[in-house]
Amino acid sequence: SAVISQKPSRDICQRGTSLTIQCQVDSQVTMMFWYRQQPGQSLTLIATANQGSEATYESGFVIDKFPISRPNLTFSTLTVSNMSPEDSSIYLCSVDSPSGYEQYFGPGTRLTVT
Amino acid sequence: LAKTTQPVSMDSYEGQEVNITCSHNNIATNDYITWYQQFPSQGPRFIIQGYKTKVTNEVASLFIPADRKSSTLSLPRVSLSDTAVYYCLVGPPPRYGGSQGNLIFGKGTKLSVKP
Repeated sequence: SAVISQKPSRDICQRGTSLTIQCQVDSQVTMMFWYRQQPGQSLTLIATANQGSEATYESGFVIDKFPISRPNLTFSTLTVSNMSPEDSSIYLCSVDSPSGYEQYFGPGTRLTVT
Repeated sequence: LAKTTQPVSMDSYEGQEVNITCSHNNIATNDYITWYQQFPSQGPRFIIQGYKTKVTNEVASLFIPADRKSSTLSLPRVSLSDTAVYYCLVGPPPRYGGSQGNLIFGKGTKLSVKP
């Protein structure tokens, strides 16, 4: 399976600021996904990032709040903008497998907004 | 849009077989059933995937009845290290229509294995 790393692993940020989370994969992948997981809760898909096209956002998530970049086949960033305490969560990056039928997940970025 | 229902939690003892059932009454023709395992402070890990009948790999088995309205993940002879949350995900493969509202994780089943 692909090896996925995320930076930072955790951060504490002040209300009103923005944080960019990086996702790096050790091999080229077709699709990259960004999820949010609040403590003790399930995962919620934020958006799908394809190289060379705009990200596709799920209902309830907008580009102004969560801008995403996908400059190449191994890298993507998610920015959490104008943060509030409600944005405190774990943000996970995933990629599709070579077959396209399952996902591999990164370790997550734990964000706390004060 | 297939939604899933799983038990919130299950307890087991080391060496026992554990079966976790997931209900998905409105599964669509192009939906697959995928199970993920998640340990605290880690991202989910793929366990097994199936479309119908039975699938087995080195870690688990997945049983899917003919009507596909439910599925059962079977973990043979669990150990303490199998203590985790298990998610059942029903939908198209991620690359083939998996987004657009289709990649919906259920609430998961917290499995506790005791010595």
